[in-house]
Amino acid sequence: SQTIHQWPATLVQPVGSPLSLECTVEGTSNPNLYWYRQAAGRGLQLLFYSVGIGQISSEVPQNLSASRPQDRQFILSSKKLLLSDSGFYLCAWSAYFRDPDTQYFGPGTRLTVL
Amino acid sequence: QQQVKQSPQSLIVQKGGISIINCAYENTAFDYFPWYQQFPGKGPALLIAIRPDVSEKKEGRFTISFNKSAKQFSLHIMDSQPGDSATYFCAASIASGNTGKLIFGQGTTLQVKP
Repeated sequence: SQTIHQWPATLVQPVGSPLSLECTVEGTSNPNLYWYRQAAGRGLQLLFYSVGIGQISSEVPQNLSASRPQDRQFILSSKKLLLSDSGFYLCAWSAYFRDPDTQYFGPGTRLTVL
Repeated sequence: QQQVKQSPQSLIVQKGGISIINCAYENTAFDYFPWYQQFPGKGPALLIAIRPDVSEKKEGRFTISFNKSAKQFSLHIMDSQPGDSATYFCAASIASGNTGKLIFGQGTTLQVKP
């Protein structure tokens, strides 16, 4: 069966510090991968998606970036965090060939920028 | 045209009652409409989904009704239970292209009172 992991689960960072959030998927190959941000009490904002290694599409211009160094690894980064970067960050995957529309979400990372 | 509009923003229902959440879209190219359920502090999980070749899909107490001509779809939760208290998101996507990109509604917070 497939499993998606995210870490860390929670993170408190000062403004201006760097960020690295990691997401890994087990039990599948060639997944589509997605990063979302969810502000408190708000909807899901798609940040980045990737259909393959090294292929990253950005949905929202911001000070965040994403990378996919391996087939089942997706990393969200920032060089300098802003207060507005606080939120709940969710990684998701879908099966590129079998069922690309059905996304499976990870447990999320709660980021607080102070 | 890429938006999915969801209503109401919040909903309070008595145990045993029917919960109804509505979504509307503009892009006629959308051809996959899932609903996700999210509990506090957790990632969203797929609840039920429909494609436009059918007008209704039922899974247990959950039913999606789809009106292609009106470009609307809704989630009905029959015999609502306190355990159904969560945030519900509708979404839409264009199945071709294998990106699996979903456009999410803003979410509905459901509270089922015992």
